[in-house]
Formats: sequence, structure tokens, C-alpha cells
Amino acid sequence: KNQVEQSPQSLIILEGKNCTLQCNYTVSPFSNLRWYKQDTGRGPVSLTIMTFSENTKSNGRYTATLDADTKQSSLHITASQLSDSASYICVVTGYGNNRLAFGKGNQVVVIP
Amino acid sequence: GAGVSQSPSNKVTEKGKDVELRCDPISGHTALYWYRQSLGQGLEFLIYFQGNSAPDKSGLPSDRFSAERTGGSVSTLTIQRTQQEDSAVYLCASSSQGWENTEAFFGQGTRLTVV
Repeated sequence: KNQVEQSPQSLIILEGKNCTLQCNYTVSPFSNLRWYKQDTGRGPVSLTIMTFSENTKSNGRYTATLDADTKQSSLHITASQLSDSASYICVVTGYGNNRLAFGKGNQVVVIP
Repeated sequence: GAGVSQSPSNKVTEKGKDVELRCDPISGHTALYWYRQSLGQGLEFLIYFQGNSAPDKSGLPSDRFSAERTGGSVSTLTIQRTQQEDSAVYLCASSSQGWENTEAFFGQGTRLTVV
């Protein structure tokens, strides 16, 4: 069973609207969680990182939240732009072994 | 190099042929991951290396797939007797044995097309 589950698998949103992507993980003990953005034909690029003690982290119009108790994270995209069309991947690092667990990604398509 | 380098960037091969995909991780990174991404699908884990050993090969889809890593650096993913369903983008990522700020750095991927 995958240790990192993301939902929804894909979604289509109108330009200018907001959306929220979910990441649930079972990795334990936990070190940190990253959200990556992968544009079509490119490798994923890191957006945010949060450690156990952090609840929220922003990067421009992207805001990530973390609830380490429930092992849930979300990535909120505000005022979406066409350039936000991409796959968003949640990656969790285990504490003590630095093993990375990858979600399968949320595919976001922003339409005008 | 400055980042993770994969080669070739594109590969078209005939069904039944063998292919080798190469990944050069960031210098000093001990962990290396292979993933593949089929059209419109998410990342599918293939194999994880820590140094030269592979503690997790659970994602390799069949015995036609194998991977090795030498010198704790370059890794090669080999697919024997390729099939059309092997067509995908094969991504490699590496990370350091760090702690709080462990980040995976991805290569640009190798797009494999089996015809």
C-alpha cells in the first residue's frame, strides 16, 4: 500500500478560482513533507517544505498546511493561473532513515 | 554536475529490444530513486538505492526490469525485451543523507517509446 495518498487524482478549474489538493500519509516517524510541481515534460520542482512543528507554509499563491497528528497535508492554490496547470506531488520523508515516500500526484488543469 | 542528469532524453525502440537508461545523481547524494510516469498517470515507484544497494525493489513491474548503481553514483535502469506498455517517462531523483531539509532533486526524465 502506498504510504502517501493524494486526492483528487485530477481536477479542472477555471482561471482565477481557488483549489485545494489533499495528501494523506502513513509514514512514521515523520521528518518533513514537501510539495512539488511538475510541469508537462519537466522534472518536479520543490514548492514548499514543512517539518513536524510547522502548520503552514506559503510560496506566492501556493499555501501548504500540515496536521502531523492526523497525518494530513493540503496545498491551496489561490487565484489560479493557466501556468498552474501541472501535476502536484506530495513527498514525505521518514525520520531516522531519510527514506522518501512519493504520492502519485494531483493533476491540475486550469482553463480560461 | 549541478543537477540530476538523465540520458538519453528521448528513446524510441522496437518492441523486443533491450534499452538502458542512465541517471547521474547530484554528487554526494546517497539516495537514488527511479520512477516512471505513463501518459496522464502519476508517479509509479520502481526502485530505491541507498549507496550501491537497493533495499527496495518492490516497484519493478517484471523480471525484464533491472537496475544497478555503481560507485554510489551513476545508476542504470535496464529493460529487456521491451513491450509497448513500457512506454513512459522514466524519472530519476536523488537526495542527500540529510535530516530536516531532505529534498529530492529530479532529473528531466527519459521519454521511452516502444513501437
